[in-house]
Amino acid sequence: DVKVTQSSRYLVKRTGEKVFLECVQDMDHENMFWYRQDPGLGLRLIYFSYDVKMKEKGDIPEGYSVSREKKERFSLILESASTNQTSMYLCASSSNRYSYTEAFFGQGTRLTVV
Amino acid sequence: AQTVTQSQPEMSVQEAETVTLSCTYDTSESNYYLFWYKQPPSRQMILVIRQEAYKQQNATENRFSVNFQKAAKSFSLKISDSQLGDTAMYFCAFMKPNTGNQFYFGTGTSLTVIP
Repeated sequence: DVKVTQSSRYLVKRTGEKVFLECVQDMDHENMFWYRQDPGLGLRLIYFSYDVKMKEKGDIPEGYSVSREKKERFSLILESASTNQTSMYLCASSSNRYSYTEAFFGQGTRLTVV
Repeated sequence: AQTVTQSQPEMSVQEAETVTLSCTYDTSESNYYLFWYKQPPSRQMILVIRQEAYKQQNATENRFSVNFQKAAKSFSLKISDSQLGDTAMYFCAFMKPNTGNQFYFGTGTSLTVIP
């Protein structure tokens, strides 16, 4: 059974804190994605990665960075958390850029910045 | 950028009835993939059904089927014999090959199945 695991389901952080959201997949997928989900806005792509140590900006990268040191792990970093980053964050993975398969999702992390 | 539009923020259906969720998209591409994802209250997004644009035949998966109208850029999801477990948020998604397989999502339709 394929699995994408996000390290936390709920997080509460203070404004200005550095926040790490971790995602691990066990499917040997090359592609990994971070989305932000807000009511009425759907899923918006923050960053994605095709391979280890590479990253590409999505539609809303401002205020975020990512790290992919190992193929199975993709981290989202909020350098200085702000209240407008309170949201649901979803990690996903898919096979590679050449095979057109669906994305598999983690269970989501609901982040609250106070 | 590709855009995906779901014009029905909320819908409801009686148990055992049929419901159709609409989705339109905007692209100049001829080859692409379309998906419907389900997000139940547990939050885990799961794939419901997928359609490849070059295939004319509409995809079906048990009680779920799509009506894919390529010229109209329309991709609706039909759920037959609705069950309480179908209560969820449904997202339509577009994927363009050879772009790193980026997925573009609609804003979602919240479906409630009424007993």
